Amino acid sequence: DIVMTQTPLSSPVTLGQPASISCRSSQSLEHSHGNTYLSWLQQRPGQPPRLLIYEISNRFSGVPDRFSGSGAGTDFTLEISRVEAEDVGVYYCMQVTQFPYTFGQGTKLEIK
Amino acid sequence: QVQLVQSGAEVKKPGASVKVSCKASGYTFTSYGFSWLRQAPGQGLEWMGWISAHSGNTNYAQKFQGRVTMTTDTSTSTAYMELRSLRSDDTAVYYCAREGVLGYWGQGTLVTVSS
Repeated sequence: DIVMTQTPLSSPVTLGQPASISCRSSQSLEHSHGNTYLSWLQQRPGQPPRLLIYEISNRFSGVPDRFSGSGAGTDFTLEISRVEAEDVGVYYCMQVTQFPYTFGQGTKLEIK
Repeated sequence: QVQLVQSGAEVKKPGASVKVSCKASGYTFTSYGFSWLRQAPGQGLEWMGWISAHSGNTNYAQKFQGRVTMTTDTSTSTAYMELRSLRSDDTAVYYCAREGVLGYWGQGTLVTVSS
């Protein structure tokens, strides 16, 4: 199974400041047909997960443009350009390149 | 708009089975498969398996092999996940999510296993 490792596990951020979360996979997430299936999910307290970013850098429908994703191979990053109060929650990276799908441990974003 | 609506909370005794449903609307049901995932209290996300809504093909996580069955009913646009031989550590919120990029999720179904 592909192991996904996120850092940091907790991120206190000041409103209006940027935030960054890293995710590393134990093997390359590049699929044989060229796409890399690395996604980022946001889970607000008491809510189901919500897809933010798919295939490294594509924002899902309705996701604000302050969220961006980057990376390649085994190293990926989620960036929030200016954190807002509604961004509080837990963020997960997820690989859907191969079964079984696997997740990072989650990064808790909180406001300082 | 795409919606996935799951069945309500369940309380089960150890050794029992539970069947969770996920009714889809807003798109052609057979065009996308489903993943089922779960989240134990205070824990992260765990993928349980996948089913094609077109063919019925499945792929289960090894941890659940022999205990889980995923099915679909195209006549009602509903996906199902049945988990058998429940244990206390199966207590979790269970989610369905539409394949493609797992962009659409159900609201979750709390399954509590307790004697």
